[in-house]
Parts: sequence; structure tokens; C-alpha cells
Amino acid sequence: QKEVEQNSGPLSVPEGAIASLNCTYSDRGSQSFFWYRQYSGKSPELIMFIYSNGDKEDGRFTAQLNKASQYVSLLIRDSQPSDSATYLCAVPRNTGFQKLVFGTGTRLLVSP
Amino acid sequence: EPEVTQTPSHQVTQMGQEVILRCVPISNHLYFYWYRQILGQKVEFLVSFYNNEISEKSEIFDDQFSVERPDGSNFTLKIRSTKLEDSAMYFCASSEGTGNQPQHFGDGTRLSIL
Repeated sequence: QKEVEQNSGPLSVPEGAIASLNCTYSDRGSQSFFWYRQYSGKSPELIMFIYSNGDKEDGRFTAQLNKASQYVSLLIRDSQPSDSATYLCAVPRNTGFQKLVFGTGTRLLVSP
Repeated sequence: EPEVTQTPSHQVTQMGQEVILRCVPISNHLYFYWYRQILGQKVEFLVSFYNNEISEKSEIFDDQFSVERPDGSNFTLKIRSTKLEDSAMYFCASSEGTGNQPQHFGDGTRLSIL
């Protein structure tokens, strides 16, 4: 079982719609969860992080965490063409909490 | 906003040559990391560094790799004898702490081995 799993996509949504990106993880001891956005050829850019079960909102972004089911999701409201990128889910390894384990990322395409 | 800076942005090197990638982490951060991303693949952890020593390394980080903090600001990754399969984007990251503290990434160095 992969440590961090994401659907590679692409996920296509029209402009203005809600994009829903999902991530599952295997380590039940994981405490924190990070979402990064990566444009093609660029570096990962941190957009959200969440530690507690439930929802965390920041502008158009909402992260949702369900530790019992071992999944974390990212909702993007009012999607814009500029949101088109690959979204990476990352989880620190329980041992040492220093190594970030990344999923393969979900490619999001927002059409005008 | 403070950021992690990396130089050079692109490095082209002959196979077997040594290469040094440079990073300036965010100034008040204590933990430093190197990751790499082979084209089309996921971001992979290489090494973490704290208090002037390696705190964790992956199986990728073999004897050909080394890291150093030569002064109060720079953090370097050296590859002693490069191989074709070392061609990748190399990202430096830093964080204030571990676990719940987010890691912030630099723009990366694209390493091309010929």
C-alpha cells in the first residue's frame, strides 16, 4: 500500500465550479497534512495545512481531515483557470516527523 | 515574505563530474531539507539537516551525496560523481521545526547530466 495516495487525474472543472481533490494515507499515526500546489516546471508551493479532524478554511480553499478514515481532501471554491496545476498531498513520516512523503499529485484543469 | 533561494537555477554537468547545489534557507528556520523530483515522478525526500548534522536520510542518499552548512546562511548538496540517473529537479526546503511545522521550498535547481 502506498503511503500517500492520490488520483493522478486530470480533474477537469469549469471556471467557477468547486474542485475536490482527495488524498488517502496509510500511517495511522500521522499528525499533520499539507497541500502544495505545483505549476509545471516549478517548485511545490504550500497552500494549506491541517492538523485536526474537521474543516479548515482559508479564502477559496478548504482542507478537510478525517483521521478515522485516513483521508484528507482539498476543496477549491470558485475555481479559476490560474488554479490549473498539480496539487500535492504531503504527510510527515511518523518517525522523526521530518521526512515529507508526497503523493503523486492530482492534475487540475480549470476551463474558462 | 521570506523565501528559500537556490542557485543555480539550471546546472549542466558531464557524467562523473562533481556538482554542488546551493541553498539559502529562510533565516529563522532551523531544519533544512533536500528533495528531488525526476521528470514526471513524485517529489522524493533525500535528507534532513539540523544542528549541523544529518538527522534523517533516504536510501537514495548514498555515499555519493553529502550536505554541508559551510557558514551561517548557506546549505549545500554535493554529488561527488554524477550519474545519468541523477538528472532531476533538486529542491531545498526549510522549516522552523518538525512535525506540524510546514516546509517551505525554494524554486529548485534543474540538474542535467550528459
